[in-house]
Order: sequence, then C-alpha cells, then structure tokens
Amino acid sequence: QKEVEQNSGPLSVPEGAIASLNCTYSDRGSQSFFWYRQYSGKSPELIMFIYSNGDKEDGRFTAQLNKASQYVSLLIRDSQPSDSATYLCAPQKAAGNKLTFGGGTRVLVKP
Amino acid sequence: GAGVSQSPSNKVTEKGKDVELRCDPISGHTALYWYRQSLGQGLEFLIYFQGNSAPDKSGLPSDRFSAERTGGSVSTLTIQRTQQEDSAVYLCASSPSSNQPQHFGDGTRLSIL
Repeated sequence: QKEVEQNSGPLSVPEGAIASLNCTYSDRGSQSFFWYRQYSGKSPELIMFIYSNGDKEDGRFTAQLNKASQYVSLLIRDSQPSDSATYLCAPQKAAGNKLTFGGGTRVLVKP
Repeated sequence: GAGVSQSPSNKVTEKGKDVELRCDPISGHTALYWYRQSLGQGLEFLIYFQGNSAPDKSGLPSDRFSAERTGGSVSTLTIQRTQQEDSAVYLCASSPSSNQPQHFGDGTRLSIL
C-alpha cells in the first residue's frame, strides 16, 4: 500500500464546475496536510494547508480533512482553464517534518 | 521578498562526473529540504535540515549523495560518480520552521548522458 494515494486522473471538468480531488494516507501520525499545484515543467506551488478536522476555505478552494478516515480532499469551485494542472497531496508527520507526496491528480478544465 | 533560489537551473553532465547543486532558501527560514522528481515519478524526499540539528538523511538513495548547509543558510547537494538514474529535477524547499508550509524553488534539471 502506498503511503499517499491519489487518483492519477485526468479529471476532466467543464469550466465553471466543481473539481473534487481525493487523497488517502496510511500514516495515522500525520498532523498537517498540504495541497500543491504543479503546472507541467514547473515546481510545486502551495495552494492550501489544513491541520484540523473539518473544512477550510480559501477563495475558490476548500480543503476537507477527516483524520479518523485518513482522508483529505480538495474542492475547486468555478473551475477555470488556468486550474488545469497536477494537484499533489502531501501529509506531514509532526516528528518527521518531511512531506510525503502522492502521485498527484491531473486536472483538465475544458472551456 | 525573494523566493527559494536554486542554481544551476539546468545541468548536463557525463556519467561518472560529480555535480553540485545549490539552494538559497528564503531569508529567515530555518528549515530546508531537498526532494527530487524523476520523469513520470512522484516527489521523493532526500534530506532535511532544521537549524543546527543533525540533518535527516533518511531519503538519500545511496552514499554517492551528500548535502551540507553552511551557516544555517545556503545548502549544497553533491552527487558523486553520477549515474543515468540520477537524472531528475532536484527541488529545494524551505519553511520558517518545521511543520509550517514549505515553499519550493524552481529546481535544477539534471541530465546524465
């Protein structure tokens, strides 16, 4: 079992729709959770982080965390073509401090 | 302020040569990380520096890889006797302290011929 599982996609969504990305992780010691966006040929860019169970909203992005289920998700509302990228889920252990990345979900927003 | 700066942006070298990759973190960030991303692969942790503590080297793939961080700021990742499987993008990230969000540099694309 991989430490961090993401559907590789591509997740194809029409412009203006909601993109829903899921991530499961195996290490129950994970404390912090980060979502990065990576455009092709570019480095990862932090878009959201969440530490507590529940929802966290920032603009068009909402992160949802359920530690009991070891599940974290990212919703992108009003998807735009510029949101087309690979989204990386990255849990972080309090002790280890390194990020363990999932393989990423490729999102394709079609005009 | 400036972000994480990495140099060179691209490096092409012959198999068996040594290479040095440099990372200049965001000013004031005490935590510095190295990752690599191979073609079609995920991001793989290599090494982590936090202040004056001993680095976490658990991700280094072989003893050909080493890294140092001088003066708590700039870091150098050294790969000795490079192999073709070392070809990847090497990414450096820094954060204000451990457990805070990491911000990545643009990476060094390393190609071993």
